[in-house]
Amino acid sequence: EAGVTQFPSHSVIEKGQTVTLRCDPISGHDNLYWYRRVMGKEIKFLLHFVKESKQDESGMPNNRFLAERTGGTYSTLKVQPAELEDSGVYFCASSLGRGRGETQYFGPGTRLLVL
Amino acid sequence: GQSLEQPSEVTAVEGAIVQINCTYQTSGFYGLSWYQQHDGGAPTFLSYNALDGLEETGRFSSFLSRSDSYGYLLLQELQMKDSASYFCAVVGSSNTGKLIFGQGTTLQVKP
Repeated sequence: EAGVTQFPSHSVIEKGQTVTLRCDPISGHDNLYWYRRVMGKEIKFLLHFVKESKQDESGMPNNRFLAERTGGTYSTLKVQPAELEDSGVYFCASSLGRGRGETQYFGPGTRLLVL
Repeated sequence: GQSLEQPSEVTAVEGAIVQINCTYQTSGFYGLSWYQQHDGGAPTFLSYNALDGLEETGRFSSFLSRSDSYGYLLLQELQMKDSASYFCAVVGSSNTGKLIFGQGTTLQVKP
C-alpha cells in the first residue's frame, strides 16, 4: 500500500511568487490534514479536510493560503503571494477516521524556501 | 494558550533505557500521541494514550497521567537506529483529531 506522497519535495521561490504544494493521501482515507513546521519551531496544524469539505481551518495563518481538495482525493495548498516567513516544511497527513485514537500517516513533507 | 514542553536533546548509549518527558497545557485534550522522525523523513506514529497508565509496544512504552498533564515515552534496549527526533502531540479535538505538537526531542544514541 502506497503511503502519503507530497510534491514537490523542495521548492525555492522568491518573495511575491506563487507556489502550489500537492498531497496525495493513502487511498481510502477520507481525512486529510496539513501541518507546517517553521524553522526551530513546533509542527503546527493548518487545516483538516473530510473528503472534499474543510472541517477545521483554524490554523491557516492568513488569506494568502488556500487549500483545496476537489473530489475528495488529492489536496493542494497554494501560497499566493509567498512571504519570507512562509519558509518551512509543509507536511500532509491522512487518516481513515478522525476519532481520538486514529493514526495519522504523514508524508515526507515539502521544504519551502522563500527568498 | 496551548503548549507542550519536552527536552530539546537527549543522549544515551546503545543498550540503555531513555525516558523522554512531555508536559502539556492545552484547551482541549483527547489523548497523547508520540511520533518519531528520522532526519528529513516523515513523522511516524509510535503510540497513543487516551487513559492514564502505561502502553507497551515492543521496546517502546508510553505513559500518561492526565491529572498531572504529563506523559513520557520510554525506549528500552536502545539501538543506533533509534537516533531520531521524537514528538509528543496532544489530540486537540475529538471532532477533527487535529494534533498539537511539542517542539521535539532529538535523541542521539552513541555506541
